[in-house]
Amino acid sequence: ILNVEQSPQSLHVQEGDSTNFTCSFPSSNFYALHWYRWETAKSPKALFVMTLNGDEKKKGRISATLNTKEGYSYLYIKGSQPEDSATYLCAPNNNAGNMLTFGGGTRLMVKP
Amino acid sequence: DVKVTQSSRYLVKRTGEKVFLECVQDMDHENMFWYRQDPGLGLRLIYFSYDVKMKEKGDIPEGYSVSREKKERFSLILESASTNQTSMYLCASKPLSGTPVYEQYFGPGTRLTVT
Repeated sequence: ILNVEQSPQSLHVQEGDSTNFTCSFPSSNFYALHWYRWETAKSPKALFVMTLNGDEKKKGRISATLNTKEGYSYLYIKGSQPEDSATYLCAPNNNAGNMLTFGGGTRLMVKP
Repeated sequence: DVKVTQSSRYLVKRTGEKVFLECVQDMDHENMFWYRQDPGLGLRLIYFSYDVKMKEKGDIPEGYSVSREKKERFSLILESASTNQTSMYLCASKPLSGTPVYEQYFGPGTRLTVT
């Protein structure tokens, strides 16, 4: 079982604050890193899938970077809004196959 | 839009009961997965299936079995439910085998309570 760590476990920010959180994973046999957003009472939805070292992806106010050599990814949210409140999950794929190993998630709460 | 549906949102069962959780996807995906989610532990893979009648154990298969008789349907079975199986169960599907870059599509989850 891969050791995937996300920090912090939870985060409270004010509307308008920018924030970031971390996903750490084993760098060996790396193939892809997935980020998902899971809003309360909804299904987890994919945000990004990243494969290359140094990759940076952006969707609106949310962006992510990837360092495969040292085994980490950062997720950034610029100008947080209440609708960004969710649990953010990362999941590396280290076996070139179908299985993802999910981290424990970072629960973000944005206060209006 | 891919749709993954699960048979129940909430389920309450008694210890020792046999429990079936059903998942259906409408996008002809080869791969289907069952996860459970517990606070602070993220999603843990119980079983996955890469084709009809094919299955592989995930990280925590003990106490569970699965069935995939049709491509669109993947069932999780708790042979004899126990209180430590109280959890949120999520089903997911993904196209194509052996491709790490495709996203998984999740159902809404079933919150199972075993009393």
